[in-house]
Amino acid sequence: KNQVEQSPQSLIILEGKNCTLQCNYTVSPFSNLRWYKQDTGRGPVSLTIMTFSENTKSNGRYTATLDADTKQSSLHITASQLSDSASYICVVSAEGNKLVFGAGTILRVKS
Amino acid sequence: EAGVVQSPRYKIIEKKQPVAFWCNPISGHNTLYWYLQNLGQGPELLIRYENEEAVDDSQLPKDRFSAERLKGVDSTLKIQPAELGDSAVYLCASSSRRGAGNEQFFGPGTRLTVL
Repeated sequence: KNQVEQSPQSLIILEGKNCTLQCNYTVSPFSNLRWYKQDTGRGPVSLTIMTFSENTKSNGRYTATLDADTKQSSLHITASQLSDSASYICVVSAEGNKLVFGAGTILRVKS
Repeated sequence: EAGVVQSPRYKIIEKKQPVAFWCNPISGHNTLYWYLQNLGQGPELLIRYENEEAVDDSQLPKDRFSAERLKGVDSTLKIQPAELGDSAVYLCASSSRRGAGNEQFFGPGTRLTVL
């Protein structure tokens, strides 16, 4: 069964600190993996996309990594800001552009 | 360029009442999706359209849910009658084959509360 599991479920950090979110998947065949940021009351917005051959992708203070062998991905946020408070959703694309969503990690950045 | 537009943003109804949600995708996007998102969960696909054809509606509860995309542009999702368990956020997304990895662009969603 195609599944995406994320950890932790929620996280609270102080402004300026770094954090790493984890994503494990069992989707096959694999097409690509995206990290989405979803602010409260808004739809998800894509942060990064990685295909099978890509190990890392950066978007400003966001850096995603992918290990296709172990089927794991991480999203590292550097020097967190209050505006980073959101839900971060890992999404794996299977064949036929069918997306499998994780439940998300709720991040809260405190001042 | 305008993003995906959804209306209404919020809807409160009593159980057994009908409700409809409207979505206008990004101009030129041929693929349109309706998702259901429960609190603390990721979105779950209800139906996917390629132009005006529903190509994946396997997760749509057809006894009470219906959708249409008559001219291959905007779309309407309807629930009749609504049940308490239908309370959730209904997201619409669209994508283009020309986009990187068929990226889906999401609207802000409609938050439905069934009392």
